[in-house]
Amino acid sequence: EPEVTQTPSHQVTQMGQEVILRCVPISNHLYFYWYRQILGQKVEFLVSFYNNEISEKSEIFDDQFSVERPDGSNFTLKIRSTKLEDSAMYFCASSFGIEAYFGPGTRLTVT
Amino acid sequence: GENVEQHPSTLSVQEGDSAVIKCTYSDSASNYFPWYKQELGKGPQLIIDIRSNVGEKKDQRIAVTLNKTAKHFSLHITETQPEDSAVYFCAASINTDKLIFGTGTRLQVFP
Repeated sequence: EPEVTQTPSHQVTQMGQEVILRCVPISNHLYFYWYRQILGQKVEFLVSFYNNEISEKSEIFDDQFSVERPDGSNFTLKIRSTKLEDSAMYFCASSFGIEAYFGPGTRLTVT
Repeated sequence: GENVEQHPSTLSVQEGDSAVIKCTYSDSASNYFPWYKQELGKGPQLIIDIRSNVGEKKDQRIAVTLNKTAKHFSLHITETQPEDSAVYFCAASINTDKLIFGTGTRLQVFP
């Protein structure tokens, strides 16, 4: 069964460093998303991406964040200068238009 | 914007009993309501969803009901098993766009 994959599973970085989180969505899906979950809290929407452009972003998704679909398979989230409060699980999700399927997540720890 | 409330935050049941988790939403334009199960260290897994044109949907031991007038929807799990133990999230969206999640319910099923 096709699934969303994410790498790395865990990323530790120092405050101020840039990180890139990578995702491979399900191959025939058209809509791509990033969500984050701070430990013990609910899952929060960050950004949606369709037709090679951002379709919507939340207040969390400020100028430090960017997304890219560099080729036909990968979907990346870049945080330019990480802050302590960026520590969270980051989930990629993809959809053909209805059900959204989530990847296993990347745990980002900013020290 | 949309706000989703979820209750209870924790739920403990004996194996074989039923479990009910309730959510309310604020935006009457929301028309898609999925439920996700999240096991420890994993991403949310879609278990069932319902659209606003139906009032109830069932899949084996799980069912979801929707009351559009009251703006609430519920997840029902019958004949619970220890492997049902997880955190369950409800969500709401408009036209299957970004998902707004509830705060989660930690379900524990005791053998």
